[in-house]
Amino acid sequence: SSELTQPSSVSVSPGQTARITCSGEVLSKKYARWFQQKPGQAPVLVIFKDSERPSGIPERFSGSSSGATVTLTISGAQVEDEADYFCYSASDNSQGLFGGGTRLTVL
Amino acid sequence: QGQLVQSGAEVKTPGSSVKVSCKASGDTFSNNAFTWVRRAPGRGLEWVGGIIPVSATTNYAQKLQGRVTITADGATNTAYMELRTLRSEDTAVYYCASRDGGVWGQGTLVTVS
Repeated sequence: SSELTQPSSVSVSPGQTARITCSGEVLSKKYARWFQQKPGQAPVLVIFKDSERPSGIPERFSGSSSGATVTLTISGAQVEDEADYFCYSASDNSQGLFGGGTRLTVL
Repeated sequence: QGQLVQSGAEVKTPGSSVKVSCKASGDTFSNNAFTWVRRAPGRGLEWVGGIIPVSATTNYAQKLQGRVTITADGATNTAYMELRTLRSEDTAVYYCASRDGGVWGQGTLVTVS
């Protein structure tokens, strides 16, 4: 299967830990990236190669991988982290794949 | 880090075509590859396709094969995404991005109505 599955929504209180999962067969063979997108803005890369964090991304953002599932963890979520989050990988035939997206609510 | 600047919003009629440009600054163009992504209203991100300018190698989403063409002009450091035979469901914000996802254009709203 060439799909990536995410929960449609996750809700946490400020300061709590938010975890967003992404599952798909391709993830057992290919790296994943995570993007954050706020309304009216372009997506921002927050994690690449499953667990690497680009410069400028707060340390509270981390990624992990286990088999065919990757997880984005936001430790001590802030109100400003409220956004849509998308996982991304590539299929064996070089087709880009996005997960359906997870709306993170922090309140 | 480089910058990507896209062309402005477009309003098109069903059946017509649209061509969106993405101009890269610095060495973002020559040392990179480019991806196009779209987000329709109320929906998630969708991969459209990509290009490696140095080799002109392209790759397209299967659902858009035959309607989309991505090109690159090394003389102007600009990538283009053309979508033909437009349908209402093609209404979306179209983004160009560096292939590693680290740099994004500001997005171009294409409305088909």
